[in-house]
Amino acid sequence: GAVVSQHPSRVICKSGTSVKIECRSLDFQATTMFWYRQFPKQSLMLMATSNEGSKATYEQGVEKDKFLINHASLTLSTLTVTSAHPEDSSFYICSARAGQGTSGGSVDEQFFGPGTRLTVL
Amino acid sequence: GNSVTQMEGPVTLSEEAFLTINCTYTATGYPSLFWYVQYPGEGLQLLLKATKADDKGSNKGFEATYRKETTSFHLEKGSVQVSDSAVYFCALKGGTYKYIFGTGTRLKVLA
Repeated sequence: GAVVSQHPSRVICKSGTSVKIECRSLDFQATTMFWYRQFPKQSLMLMATSNEGSKATYEQGVEKDKFLINHASLTLSTLTVTSAHPEDSSFYICSARAGQGTSGGSVDEQFFGPGTRLTVL
Repeated sequence: GNSVTQMEGPVTLSEEAFLTINCTYTATGYPSLFWYVQYPGEGLQLLLKATKADDKGSNKGFEATYRKETTSFHLEKGSVQVSDSAVYFCALKGGTYKYIFGTGTRLKVLA
């Protein structure tokens, strides 16, 4: 099936610094990627939808200036948490929507990355 | 708006026991329904799905039936194994590409 990777898997940073998380579709092209945030014992909350070559669409309540999303190519989207604070500590998961012809799934299926655990001290 | 309610865990079972994880949803229209599984240290994997009422999704011995009358999509397995220990997420997708997830249910199977 289609594989999505995330890097790094875990990151610890000091308050006030910025952290970049990468999401890559390894064996397929993803015109659309999604960024989720997961709090302990809570569901995945969609933060934004990232389309290759255009600005991301953010969900209500998500600060676009705080969570910068760039989808520069059909296989890479990045999420940058700017000026991170302890309340930004969370598990961030990306997913990629398969394009036509992707093996192992339908066009409409999303494939998820393993997630990135961010801890802000 | 759309929402998914999933039974709270953790669920602890002995090997070969019967598993049910309840999931109910609220949605306008006719959403597609999914169960995803997350093994330790890994990403979410699609376990099964159903796209219309009365459809039954099945995979690896797991089953779930799309029940429109009760707005439910309960996950079942007749005989669980230790290797089934994971977190299970119920999700729905409405008319857009957005997924709405439940809170996840952790399953622990003891040998």
